[in-house]
Formats: sequence, C-alpha cells, structure tokens
Amino acid sequence: QSVLTQPPSVSGAPGQRVTISCTGSSSNIGAGHDVHWYQQLPGTAPTLLIYANNYRPSGVPDRFSGSKSGTSASLAITGLQAEDEADYYCQSYDNSLSGVLFGGGTKVTVL
Amino acid sequence: QVQLVQSGVEVKKPGASVKVSCKASGYTFTSYDMHWVRQAPGQGLEWMGWINAGNGNTKYSQKFQGRITISRDTTASTAYMELSSLRSEDTGIYYCARHLPELDPWGQGTLVTVSS
Repeated sequence: QSVLTQPPSVSGAPGQRVTISCTGSSSNIGAGHDVHWYQQLPGTAPTLLIYANNYRPSGVPDRFSGSKSGTSASLAITGLQAEDEADYYCQSYDNSLSGVLFGGGTKVTVL
Repeated sequence: QVQLVQSGVEVKKPGASVKVSCKASGYTFTSYDMHWVRQAPGQGLEWMGWINAGNGNTKYSQKFQGRITISRDTTASTAYMELSSLRSEDTGIYYCARHLPELDPWGQGTLVTVSS
C-alpha cells in the first residue's frame, strides 16, 4: 500500500518532548528511500526541516531531530516552544508509484 | 539566495485550464528537477509531478495523468504547470519546489480557485 501514515495531531506543553511517527511500507521507506520532513506554519509554504532521515538544514534548531528504522520514521521535537505550532509532513519516494509520497500531515499544538 | 517565485492568483471556471509559472533564481536552473505539489483547502500535500529541467523529461502522478503538463523554459529559468479540464475539486494552492532530492526551497504558492 502506497501511503505514509502520520497521526493527525499531537500536543504538548511548552518544554516537553513530542514525537511524530511516519509509517510506510516495503515499497517506500522499507525499500531504503530517505525520509524528509517539512514544517508548514499557518498561511505559509512548507519549508524543509529534516532531510535524509536525520540531517538538519542550517538554521533549523537542534530541538528538531529525525530517525528512521525499517518501514517507519519519526520526528522528535524537544523543548517544545509556542512557535513550533505548525503542520508537519513526512515525505519519501515510492517504488510502486514511481513518484513522491507525502504523509497526511500532523498538527502540533502547544498547550 | 536560491528563490522560487510563482505567478499570481488565478480564478477559473469549470472546464477551463490554468497555467502556473515558477521562476527560479540563485542557482543553475537546468541542474535540478522541479516538482509540483498541490494543497486543497484545509488538506495535506499532494504530489503532482516533476520535470527534469535539464532534458525536459517529465513524470506525473497517476491521479493527474492526462490533465497535467509540466514544462520549462531554460532561457527564462522558469517551470510551468498546466492543469486542464478544471473542476471545483482542483481549488487549492499549487507549489513548485526544487528537488535536491529533498524539496528545497518551495515557491510561495499560487492560489487557484475553480468556480462557476
């Protein structure tokens, strides 16, 4: 099945740690394709947050980290801050589709 | 700095076509693929297709096959996405994004509204 599954929403208090899962299959993440993560602040275009599973572009705080194992990946945000309220999307490549695949997105709410 | 600047808001009637442009600057346009991604109101990101800006080869999502054409003008460092036979469900924001292979940067988005 060619989908990447994310939880619709996660929430946490300021300073807490939250994680977002991205579950794929043997035709995408499990096939060895890298996972990338994007942050979309309200009313703006997505921006790259994590690339190649666990690398941060310059300017992205080290509170954000990524990991990948088997057919899944995760994004962790430690020391949650109010400005982290946004939608987060995982992305990979799918062999069955021969194309790019996005997760459904996760809305992070800071309580 | 690397930048993608898209064309402005479009309002179209059902059955019409729309062509959105994406002008690149700050890098060698022909060295990277360009992707197009759609976001319906309140929904997630949906991949539409890509173009190899160097040789013009394209790959489209099955969902849009037959209705989408992605092209480029290397002299203008500009990629284009044309979607035909528009219906109300095509309303949304259309983004271009450079392929690294991660997608970075993204254009600012072009709002396309399909309404009679």
